[in-house]
Formats: sequence, structure tokens, C-alpha cells
Amino acid sequence: GAVVSQHPSRVICKSGTSVKIECRSLDFQATTMFWYRQFPKQSLMLMATSNEGSKATYEQGVEKDKFLINHASLTLSTLTVTSAHPEDSSFYICSAGPGPHEQYFGPGTRLTVT
Amino acid sequence: DAKTTQPTSMDCAEGRAANLPCNHSTISGNEYVYWYRQIHSQGPQYIIHGLKNNETNEMASLIITEDRKSSTLILPHATLRDTAVYYCIVRAYTGANSKLTFGKGITLSVRP
Repeated sequence: GAVVSQHPSRVICKSGTSVKIECRSLDFQATTMFWYRQFPKQSLMLMATSNEGSKATYEQGVEKDKFLINHASLTLSTLTVTSAHPEDSSFYICSAGPGPHEQYFGPGTRLTVT
Repeated sequence: DAKTTQPTSMDCAEGRAANLPCNHSTISGNEYVYWYRQIHSQGPQYIIHGLKNNETNEMASLIITEDRKSSTLILPHATLRDTAVYYCIVRAYTGANSKLTFGKGITLSVRP
């Protein structure tokens, strides 16, 4: 099946710093990618829809100035968590699909803010 | 998108079939049924999807009732590696921005 990668897989940062997470579609082009966040023992919550060449669409309650999304190419979307705080510690997951139905998810990035 | 209801958890013996139910009584005519699973600390994995007809692939079978108000995902020969949270999602495909909304899913535990 199609492959989506994420980098880094784990990151620890200090409160107040920014962290960038990359999401790549390795064997297909993706005009749209999705970013999710998952807290322990909870389900995935969609944060935003990333569109190549245009602004991302954020879900209600997600601060666009805090979670910056850039979808600069058909195979790469980045999520930057700015001025990170301990409550931003979470599992961040991206997804993309080569077609209308199957979505392929990255392996996730575990962010810990100290 | 229509809401789905799944049991919280179930278990089955290794080698036996696992039948995971899902209710979606408010499903609309243009909404598909999707199944994903998430193994602990990994990203979700696409399993299968269907609209009206039953579907089968190398991973599983999807049985959709004639009225489309419920469905069952069948793992024919469960293995320990099938232990995961399984999500049943209903979604209308309206373009590339069509979103998947995850509920709580059902935790399947496969026992030796």
C-alpha cells in the first residue's frame, strides 16, 4: 500500500520553543493532507486540513497561529507547533490518500514539552 | 457525516474469526462505511470500505446489511497482531478535503 512517513518520530522540547514535524507521501502525490492529534487513551482528533499551494483549513478550537501548517509541495506538509507548552504534549499524526477513499497514516510523532 | 456506534471492547481466540459490529442507523445514501485500525502507538491503518455491497480484501471482509444501518467487519483468522482499536467511520466523499471523523472505536483483544 501507499506509504506516508513522518519525521521525527519522537521529540522532546522545552516550553516556549517551536517544533516542526514533517509529513511526506513517499510514493504518491497528495494535494491534501490531514493533521491529527491524539492524547493518551483518546481517539484521534482532526486538527486541520492541509492543501498544497493554499492556506490550511483548521478545525474549530485549533489555533492557526499556534499550529502553523505549510504544504509547499505535493509530497510534503509540515506542522510547526509554536511556543510549545506542556499541554501541547501529544501524539501528532498525519494522513494522505492517493485516491478518494483510502487514507494512509504516518507512524506518528510523539511530542513531549518539558 | 452519520454517527456510528460500536461496542467498547471484545475479544476472540487466536485463529478464530473476529466479527466486529457497527451501527450506523442514520447513514445517508451517499455515505460510505470505512474501517481503520490502530495498533498501540502507531498511526491508523486502512482496512476496507464499502457502500452497499459486501467487500473483501486480503485483510478482511465487510458485510453491510441491506438497509445499510449496520455492518460487520470480519477478520477471518485472527492473530495476536490483530489486537488493536478498530474504528468504524461513515463518510460521504465530497472531494479531496473529505474528512474522516474518528470515534472511540472498539478494542479487539486476540488471546492465545
